[in-house]
Amino acid sequence: KAGVTQTPRYLIKTRGQQVTLSCSPISGHRSVSWYQQTPGQGLQFLFEYFSETQRNKGNFPGRFSGRQFSNSRSEMNVSTLELGDSALYLCASSNGGGDTQYFGPGTRLTVL
Amino acid sequence: AQKVTQAQTEISVVEKEDVTLDCVYETRDTTYYLFWYKQPPSGELVFLIRRNSFDEQNEISGRYSWNFQKSTSSFNFTITASQVVDSAVYFCALSEVGNNNAGNMLTFGGGTRLMVKP
Repeated sequence: KAGVTQTPRYLIKTRGQQVTLSCSPISGHRSVSWYQQTPGQGLQFLFEYFSETQRNKGNFPGRFSGRQFSNSRSEMNVSTLELGDSALYLCASSNGGGDTQYFGPGTRLTVL
Repeated sequence: AQKVTQAQTEISVVEKEDVTLDCVYETRDTTYYLFWYKQPPSGELVFLIRRNSFDEQNEISGRYSWNFQKSTSSFNFTITASQVVDSAVYFCALSEVGNNNAGNMLTFGGGTRLMVKP
């Protein structure tokens, strides 16, 4: 079985721009969760999608949004980028309900 | 609210030493799951183990072992005879299931950086 894939792997953007990150889960998994990792804040939960519905949301501003498609692939979008959005964004897939989450390689976003 | 604490930010050992990584958690739920992940320099989080709150049996997998104690809210991880390839950041995480079965949010500890020197 193929693992979780994320594209792109690296991104460089400037302040004020917006960015879209993509995640393809493990085949058969219906839950996709997104996490942000920074040196200062560590690993923080952004949101979770299950069967195209956002089921959980972390404590992030509305500039962070996401969606899930019928094939379980997910995208997250960050609008009006700020320097503090520079981070490693990790996507994880699972069957939901406390099941093991398997992580992708991440997208490293740098905001200049 | 749930919380995970990994008090050791960095540990350095010499190869073949045993090392224990500590994890203490807080939760109000009676049903929850605990995890350990390894993050090598490449950045990807690698799953190591998942335990549910009703199963306090210790587990051993090769050189790895885990000690889960609900009485002290701890889920510690021991590597026996450490190797250089064990060098990584290790994260402990908690997932509360709750009554609405929406528990797919992982709360992570701050991580412990393990350096194994040859």
